[in-house]
Amino acid sequence: AQRVTQPEKLLSVFKGAPVELKCNYSYSGSPELFWYVQYSRQRLQLLLRHISRESIKGFTADLNKGETSFHLKKPFAQEEDSAMYYCALRINSGYSTLTFGKGTMLLVSP
Amino acid sequence: DAGVTQSPTHLIKTRGQQVTLRCSPKSGHDTVSWYQQALGQGPQFIFQYYEEEERQRGNFPDRFSGHQFPNYSSELNVNALLLGDSALYLCASSLVGEEKLFFGSGTQLSVL
Repeated sequence: AQRVTQPEKLLSVFKGAPVELKCNYSYSGSPELFWYVQYSRQRLQLLLRHISRESIKGFTADLNKGETSFHLKKPFAQEEDSAMYYCALRINSGYSTLTFGKGTMLLVSP
Repeated sequence: DAGVTQSPTHLIKTRGQQVTLRCSPKSGHDTVSWYQQALGQGPQFIFQYYEEEERQRGNFPDRFSGHQFPNYSSELNVNALLLGDSALYLCASSLVGEEKLFFGSGTQLSVL
């Protein structure tokens, strides 16, 4: 069965420091990977999808099939980036069902 | 557009009881998925409804059932509640086949 692993429960950095939130997946086929984010008192929302190769709010993520990873990166963290980040995997194109990791709390201090 | 709305926001039940949670999808969406999020965990897929039928199902027992109505709204029913059913239940809507999910704020279920 497919699995998503986010090894860090909490990542604490100072404003302006680089950020890397780790995500590894296990799936033998061709997955689609996503990052969802939940800011304080807000709903879970889509941040990035690997297929579009976009940069959102300064965040980027590259799918590395060799390492089965989809790490989320930002060169300079901002306080407003503090949130819960979930990596998610979709294996059935045509179905929007996702397998989520346990999430990483990013805390950016001034 | 209010987005995905869920009711109630909080619910307290006792073991053995039954519960019904409700979800209205974002305007224009036709697919509704339900997720369970236990404390400290990521959301776990329960099932998905499209055209009033269960389209996919996660690894949940038959005590968990659902329904989708012609207006695309949906209900999640849980029978014979267990303490372990205590969790945040999230509803997400989308257009069929599209990858982007829009989540509701969830219903926090506590089973005593």
